Amino acid sequence: DAGVIQSPRHEVTEMGQEVTLRCKPISGHDYLFWYRQTMMRGLELLIYFNNNVPIDDSGMPEDRFSAKMPNASFSTLKIQPSEPRDSAVYFCASRQGVFSADTQYFGPGTRLTVL
Amino acid sequence: AQTVTQSQPEMSVQEAETVTLSCTYDTSESDYYLFWYKQPPSRQMILVIRQEAYKQQNATENRFSVNFQKAAKSFSLKISDSQLGDAAMYFCAYEVIQGAQKLVFGQGTRLTINP
Repeated sequence: DAGVIQSPRHEVTEMGQEVTLRCKPISGHDYLFWYRQTMMRGLELLIYFNNNVPIDDSGMPEDRFSAKMPNASFSTLKIQPSEPRDSAVYFCASRQGVFSADTQYFGPGTRLTVL
Repeated sequence: AQTVTQSQPEMSVQEAETVTLSCTYDTSESDYYLFWYKQPPSRQMILVIRQEAYKQQNATENRFSVNFQKAAKSFSLKISDSQLGDAAMYFCAYEVIQGAQKLVFGQGTRLTINP
């Protein structure tokens, strides 16, 4: 099993540009989570999906952020337009099943730098 | 709202010694899970150990064990026979069983292993 795959691993962009982060969850996992990690706020959940449907997007900071999951094997997190304060490491995680007993498996993260 | 607090921003230990990382949490729920995740310099989030709140027995995984005190809402991690590869950020996390399916993380403890 390849684990959760995220791309790109690093992204450097200029303020105002559109950024798209990609995630491929572990095959068979029903839940997909997007987290953001910063020094100031630590790890925080942005949004999560169940069976490709967004369930809770209360952590999405503002309308500049959007996430989609068009199928069970792919999700995107888009920032448009990007701002320097969006610089962070973005993690995708997936989990199998409805019970919290199932472990969330994290991808390697995407380090985003907005200049 | 649930919160997780790690009061030790940094800890250090001599190789082969034992170290304990502290974590407290605040919740009104009775059924939940607690986790310790390790984040080495590679940024990968790795599950170290998990504890179900309904279990009285403390979880153990090889050199890693927890001291779960439900009444005190305390969940500490003990690392025995510390190894250089244990050096990392350690995050305590909480997840309620019913309702919102999301991890709430503490701010992390940076563990240094001295050779």
